Amino acid sequence: SYVLTQPPSVSVAPGQTARIACGGNNIGSKSVHWYQQKPGQAPVLVVYDDTDRPSGIPERFSGSNSGNTATLTISRVEAGDEADYYCQVWDSGSGHYVFGTGTKVTVL
Amino acid sequence: QVQLQESGPGLVKPSQTLSLTCTVSGGSISSAGYYWSWIRQHPGKGLEWIGYIYHTGNTYYNPSLKSRVTMSVDTSKKEFSLKLGFLTVADTAVYYCARRDSSGSYFDSWGQGTLVTVSS
Repeated sequence: SYVLTQPPSVSVAPGQTARIACGGNNIGSKSVHWYQQKPGQAPVLVVYDDTDRPSGIPERFSGSNSGNTATLTISRVEAGDEADYYCQVWDSGSGHYVFGTGTKVTVL
Repeated sequence: QVQLQESGPGLVKPSQTLSLTCTVSGGSISSAGYYWSWIRQHPGKGLEWIGYIYHTGNTYYNPSLKSRVTMSVDTSKKEFSLKLGFLTVADTAVYYCARRDSSGSYFDSWGQGTLVTVSS
């Protein structure tokens, strides 16, 4: 089955840029979506179809996808961005929805 | 804005069957293209897709759980349900219902989640 690998943790100072990688075989050929999950809360979609943002999501959140890596970038990081982030794709080969292993973003 | 709310028991015994219901409000469960899903999260772990159901009753389950999963939908009540049988302690998790967007393969609305503990 398709596997998505993320770094367990990323630390970033306020005002700086956080980049979260999501690795998968030829992931560039798939649409990648990203979710933010704060403790005790349900995930929230922050980027879909590689680069698009749902309404209400700040422009500070952006995405890219090429080759074997998709990336979620959070610019001008704020304390409120501290959360777990998950990438997700639909694997057409199996028909499954696959989530990444998750990355905990810590704001220093 | 559509809202989803899970309901069901918080504690079930091993070998029994878990039954959860998700109630949809603020939108139609019968809208074309939306797939109604169940996703779970083991304590301190990542997300696992369980399966989805369409308003017509068509279903698709994660093969790793397929033998134990049944989903159903009641459009008149704007509800869809999950049954997971032959429970073990490994099924202890927060269970979320979610809506897969009609135009893409992402989940744009989620319930708040319900913790289900499997214990004797």
